[in-house]
Amino acid sequence: GENVEQHPSTLSVQEGDSAVIKCTYSDSASNYFPWYKQELGKRPQLIIDIRSNVGEKKDQRIAVTLNKTAKHFSLHITETQPEDSAVYFCAAKRNFGNEKLTFGTGTRLTIIP
Amino acid sequence: GAGVSQSPRYKVAKRGQDVALRCDPISGHVSLFWYQQALGQGPEFLTYFQNEAQLDKSGLPSDRFFAERPEGSVSTLKIQRTQQEDSAVYLCASTGFSGSSYEQYFGPGTRLTVT
Repeated sequence: GENVEQHPSTLSVQEGDSAVIKCTYSDSASNYFPWYKQELGKRPQLIIDIRSNVGEKKDQRIAVTLNKTAKHFSLHITETQPEDSAVYFCAAKRNFGNEKLTFGTGTRLTIIP
Repeated sequence: GAGVSQSPRYKVAKRGQDVALRCDPISGHVSLFWYQQALGQGPEFLTYFQNEAQLDKSGLPSDRFFAERPEGSVSTLKIQRTQQEDSAVYLCASTGFSGSSYEQYFGPGTRLTVT
C-alpha cells in the first residue's frame, strides 16, 4: 500500500518569512495530492491540492509543487502570518474519485510574531 | 449548508465497554469515510461506504471494530470491548465534487479516551 512520509515534524518561522513542508510517497500510481490544515482541536480542512499532470499550483500565499519522477511534493507558504500556525498534513491517493487518503504524520508550524 | 457533524464530541469509556460513534454527513454526499487519528499522528483510514454499501473495510484494526450505514446517510462506528490502544480521535469525512476532484470534508471528530 501507499506510504507517505512528511518532514519536518515541527517548524518555527518568523512572521513574514516563508515555510516549506516536504512529503514523499511510495506508490507510483498515486496521482492526487491534497494538503490539509488542522488547528488545535478542530477538523482537518483542505487548503490546496495538486494532480499528477500538474507540476505546480498556487493560491495566493500558498503553493504546492510536485515532482512525480522523484515521488515528492512540497507545500510553500509565503509571507507567513500568525493565523498560519497549525498542523499541516499532506496526503495522497490513486485517483480523483472516491478513494481513501493516505496521510503523512503532520508538521506543526509555529509562526513567531 | 451544514457540514459533517459527529457525536459525541468526547467519550470516556472504561476498558471493556462498548462504544458507538455517530457521523452525519453533508446532505447528498454518497460517500463516507472513517479515519482514526492517534495523538500526534495523521489520520489513518478505517473504512469506506458508498451509499449503504461498505466497499472497503481494510483499515479496521480488529474484529472489535464495526461500521454501518444502513440507509446511506448517517453512519455509526462501533467498537466492542474497548482497549486502551483504541484511544484516539475518530474522524468522519464525506465527499463532494469540488470541480477537480472529490474533496473529503471532515467532521470535528470524536475524541475517545479508554481508561
